[in-house]
Amino acid sequence: DGGITQSPKYLFRKEGQNVTLSCEQNLNHDAMYWYRQDPGQGLRLIYYSQIVNDFQKGDIAEGYSVSREKKESFPLTVTSAQKNPTAFYLCASSIVRPGLAFVNEQFFGPGTRLTVL
Amino acid sequence: AQRVTQPEKLLSVFKGAPVELKCNYSYSGSPELFWYVQYSRQRLQLLLRHISRESIKGFTADLNKGETSFHLKKPFAQEEDSAMYYCALSTGNQFYFGTGTSLTVIP
Repeated sequence: DGGITQSPKYLFRKEGQNVTLSCEQNLNHDAMYWYRQDPGQGLRLIYYSQIVNDFQKGDIAEGYSVSREKKESFPLTVTSAQKNPTAFYLCASSIVRPGLAFVNEQFFGPGTRLTVL
Repeated sequence: AQRVTQPEKLLSVFKGAPVELKCNYSYSGSPELFWYVQYSRQRLQLLLRHISRESIKGFTADLNKGETSFHLKKPFAQEEDSAMYYCALSTGNQFYFGTGTSLTVIP
């Protein structure tokens, strides 16, 4: 079954703990993204990566960290520095082909709902 | 700065009525715009993109550079159109999403 998988679906953590969300894709996409989805705020970009071992901050990177050691994987760590970590987190991937915008369609995973108690 | 505005958080229409979901953008470059849809209990997925000028599930969207708009339209709404709709702007390496419009089609 091809696509993007995120695990776990639901995650509960105590305040002050770091937690890592998994995102894996077998679409052979170069780019991967992490978004946070909050009610009334749409999707906000946390981090993105266009190539292995390289990533850039999005609009709300503070309190988060990522790694991109493999093309297929882009885990997100929510650190204790993130003030409001309870949210729905979406991972996405896309082809990167400069000059051909139509292939920049993003494919989304099912999401992980993180609740910090 | 790149920004996408969807002024309506909630929109309700009766089945068979026309529907228009508004989207305005702010971008200094050449815009690449998309509409994404999220049906209940399903993943966010692409509905259509302006560059392909296609109609998907009866929906169309025309890019109006003068008004910086990319409104989504359908002449006759169906119950299965009820979903969350997001307008998105691509700058090539980043996407900027609007806050979304929740569409409810009333039987």
